[in-house]
Amino acid sequence: KAGVTQTPRYLIKTRGQQVTLSCSPISGHRSVSWYQQTPGQGLQFLFEYFSETQRNKGNFPGRFSGRQFSNSRSEMNVSTLELGDSALYLCASSPTRDRGGYTFGSGTRLTVV
Amino acid sequence: GNSVTQMEGPVTLSEEAFLTINCTYTATGYPSLFWYVQYPGEGLQLLLKATKADDKGSNKGFEATYRKETTSFHLEKGSVQVSDSAVYFCALNAGNNRKLIWGLGTSLAVNP
Repeated sequence: KAGVTQTPRYLIKTRGQQVTLSCSPISGHRSVSWYQQTPGQGLQFLFEYFSETQRNKGNFPGRFSGRQFSNSRSEMNVSTLELGDSALYLCASSPTRDRGGYTFGSGTRLTVV
Repeated sequence: GNSVTQMEGPVTLSEEAFLTINCTYTATGYPSLFWYVQYPGEGLQLLLKATKADDKGSNKGFEATYRKETTSFHLEKGSVQVSDSAVYFCALNAGNNRKLIWGLGTSLAVNP
C-alpha cells in the first residue's frame, strides 16, 4: 500500500515567486492536512481538507492557500514568497475525520533565496 | 488554549539504556495523545497513540500511558538502540477539529 506522496521533495525559489506543492494521500484517505516545520517555530498547522472542503485553517497569511480534488489529492500554494517561508512542508492523511492519527509524507523542503 | 510541553533535548544515551522523554499537556475536554518520530531527512511517523485516560500506547518497544490526573504522556523504552536516534514529538488533538498541537521535539542520540 503506497504511503503519502509529496512532490517535489526539494524546491528552491526566489523571493516574490509563487510555488505549488502536491500531496497524494493514501488510497481511500479523505482527510488531508498540511503543516509547516521550521527550526524556530516547530510544527504549525496550515489547513485541513476533507471531501474537497477546507475544514480548518491555521494562523497563516492569505498568501498560503490550498485545495483538494475529487480524488483527495491536495495542493498548497504560497504566493509572493518570503525568506521566512523556507521550511519543510508536511502533508498528512487519514481515512476519516476521527482523531486516530495521521500518516505523514516525507515532506517538501522549500528554500526561498 | 491547548498546548504541549516536552522536555528539551538533546538527550544522549548509551545503547541499552532506559529512555524517558517527558510530555505534559494542557487541553480542554479529552484529547487524543500521540508520539511521532522523525528520522533525519524524513517526515513524521506515528509511533504510538492513546485516545482516552489510562490507555497505554505501545509500539517497537516504546510505551506511553495517558495520565489524565497528571496531564502527562511520557514516552519510555527499556533498552534503546542506535537505530532509535531521531527526534521525538509529542502531540495532541482536541475538540472538534483535526488540528494537531505539537511539542517542540526532543532529539535523541544513542551511542554504541
